[in-house]
Amino acid sequence: GAVVSQHPSWVICKSGTSVKIECRSLDFQATTMFWYRQFPKQSLMLMATSNEGSKATYEQGVEKDKFLINHASLTLSTLTVTSAHPEDSSFYICSASGYKTASHYEQYFGPGTRLTVT
Amino acid sequence: GQQLNQSPQSMFIQEGEDVSMNCTSSSIFNTWLWYKQEPGEGPVLLIALYKAGELTSNGRLTAQFGITRKDSFLNISASIPSDVGIYFCAGGGSQGNLIFGKGTKLSVKP
Repeated sequence: GAVVSQHPSWVICKSGTSVKIECRSLDFQATTMFWYRQFPKQSLMLMATSNEGSKATYEQGVEKDKFLINHASLTLSTLTVTSAHPEDSSFYICSASGYKTASHYEQYFGPGTRLTVT
Repeated sequence: GQQLNQSPQSMFIQEGEDVSMNCTSSSIFNTWLWYKQEPGEGPVLLIALYKAGELTSNGRLTAQFGITRKDSFLNISASIPSDVGIYFCAGGGSQGNLIFGKGTKLSVKP
């Protein structure tokens, strides 16, 4: 149980275009979803926290107009990287916690999306 | 802000050996979790700890929530090749978020 999927698993896009990444909780209702960014050989960096039906809370230094997050339902959150540039290339991972998880601290992660901007 | 110190940064294992890693902080945490991440994948939750002093096992893995609530350790007994990967500790912060350590990379001895 507590399965989270992400789509796509990898994407290559041209500089200046926008890319949407989907995060779905498959077998539970995710009241909260989190978006992380991970650089090679580094830890996870929290970008934003989103609660279903409300605006996302962004971490300091993360541009909310560049990384648009929508959490429209209890099973789906999307991250849109707008006007992507090569420096946005990274591994983006979502996680979810919700009614099924024992604690709101328990986050279950998706498999990640590798974004490459050329 | 809250930060975690995870050690060791990396270690080599020989099959059958026991492995130990830990996380410490100057801050108190409400929860400690341990995750394992393999290349190109998302972290997988291994163990979650909720009470100071709690000792929890998951197969060959054992983790403890330090009595001061500022540290946690993870032990792997009788390691096997598939144990390789990066292990992250995470502390449950005061705002309901998770603070991650920098990870411990487990590799197989050549």
